[in-house]
Amino acid sequence: NAGVTQTPKFQVLKTGQSMTLQCAQDMNHEYMSWYRQDPGMGLRLIHYSVGAGITDQGEVPNGYNVSRSTTEDFPLRLLSAAPSQTSVYFCASSSTGGRLGYGYTFGSGTRLTVV
Amino acid sequence: GNSVTQMEGPVTLSEEAFLTINCTYTATGYPSLFWYVQYPGEGLQLLLKATKADDKGSNKGFEATYRKETTSFHLEKGSVQVSDSAVYFCALTPYGGYNKLIFGAGTRLAVHP
Repeated sequence: NAGVTQTPKFQVLKTGQSMTLQCAQDMNHEYMSWYRQDPGMGLRLIHYSVGAGITDQGEVPNGYNVSRSTTEDFPLRLLSAAPSQTSVYFCASSSTGGRLGYGYTFGSGTRLTVV
Repeated sequence: GNSVTQMEGPVTLSEEAFLTINCTYTATGYPSLFWYVQYPGEGLQLLLKATKADDKGSNKGFEATYRKETTSFHLEKGSVQVSDSAVYFCALTPYGGYNKLIFGAGTRLAVHP
């Protein structure tokens, strides 16, 4: 059981470049989310999805796009990378959205540097 | 709004010392509360959880009690080990906000032999 798989693990981009961070889960979870982790700020929600075809914005959505065409995949797209997007990105999934206490399963993260 | 406040780190302890990491929250209604742990180079793992007032979550010797009256969820362990060195995050999901896991800033714990 692979859980939540994120690729790539590391990436360096130049300002203005675009890229897609991949996230896949094999647990048939309905809920998937993207977070960014910055020093001293914990994790902040970028975008989330409650199921295939349904997405919504989180706390810091600007500069990022998402789509959810299948239950398994939830890619995060940076359209024009900026140095402020240098961060560690985590994808997470849950069967119930966390309310019932099951919490989320996190991927191992993607460390992105924009120069 | 909803928010989580944790004590600032780093917290540095000797092996077998008692650990407390303070966490307080602001939320409407009855949120679910969590502690997550992040070991070096890894993603976050759920450590323990509580879904209603006075619930006590426990795992691997760690405990935290959901205190509605003080809006707190402090993490404790009676005797820490070097292997407990990690970053600990307090988090909540708001009542009705199933997809919005809100984190504190994290507290780094370093345990020395």
